[in-house]
Amino acid sequence: ETGVTQSPTHLIKTRGQQVTLRCSSQSGHNTVSWYQQALGQGPQFIFQYYREEENGRGNFPPRFSGLQFPNYSSELNVNALELDDSALYLCASSLAKTGVGEKLFFGSGTQLSVL
Amino acid sequence: SQKIEQNSEALNIQEGKTATLTCNYTNYSPAYLQWYRQDPGRGPVFLLLIRENEKEKRKERLKVTFDTTLKQSLFHITASQPADSATYLCAAATGYALNFGKGTSLLVTP
Repeated sequence: ETGVTQSPTHLIKTRGQQVTLRCSSQSGHNTVSWYQQALGQGPQFIFQYYREEENGRGNFPPRFSGLQFPNYSSELNVNALELDDSALYLCASSLAKTGVGEKLFFGSGTQLSVL
Repeated sequence: SQKIEQNSEALNIQEGKTATLTCNYTNYSPAYLQWYRQDPGRGPVFLLLIRENEKEKRKERLKVTFDTTLKQSLFHITASQPADSATYLCAAATGYALNFGKGTSLLVTP
């Protein structure tokens, strides 16, 4: 177990709705990254937060947004859900920003189904 | 664009044999590569990191190589066990993101 917890574990939404996913990072970690993993694919980077500021963003539209709180926990918000948003959403924490050789500690993910 | 490519075909091997998984990268020169293991319905778990100036790295039954000329990393599991059955992901940093391959599914049969 990595110490990274995500909630909820499963979620079913309908197209057009909004969703908020939550993540508690491992103790001592100040960086949180979010990834989307479609079935049969590798995780795709959504964005990263370092000390409450967005530190980098992947190729995702603005309806994907996030927050990091002073205790380094984080939220991922997705507005106007589309069918293609159905995926496993993974949160990962690390001791520092990715790009300097830091390994990521992943949670078990939130499985989102959009109907 | 920068790509990480792994053999998408599943690898089936017999218990006790050595499994070898391949990761190729194109259009960039990562300073390091990471390997993760992912079980169904779970998040990836970090296994090994190898830097560009390291040719080989070992951890128990795992060995990773990094060939910057071939732009390739090989991941070996020696004396494989059914418990090693999982999907193995290769990843390299692109800015602040880790760029993952699709993963290779390994099945070790008794």
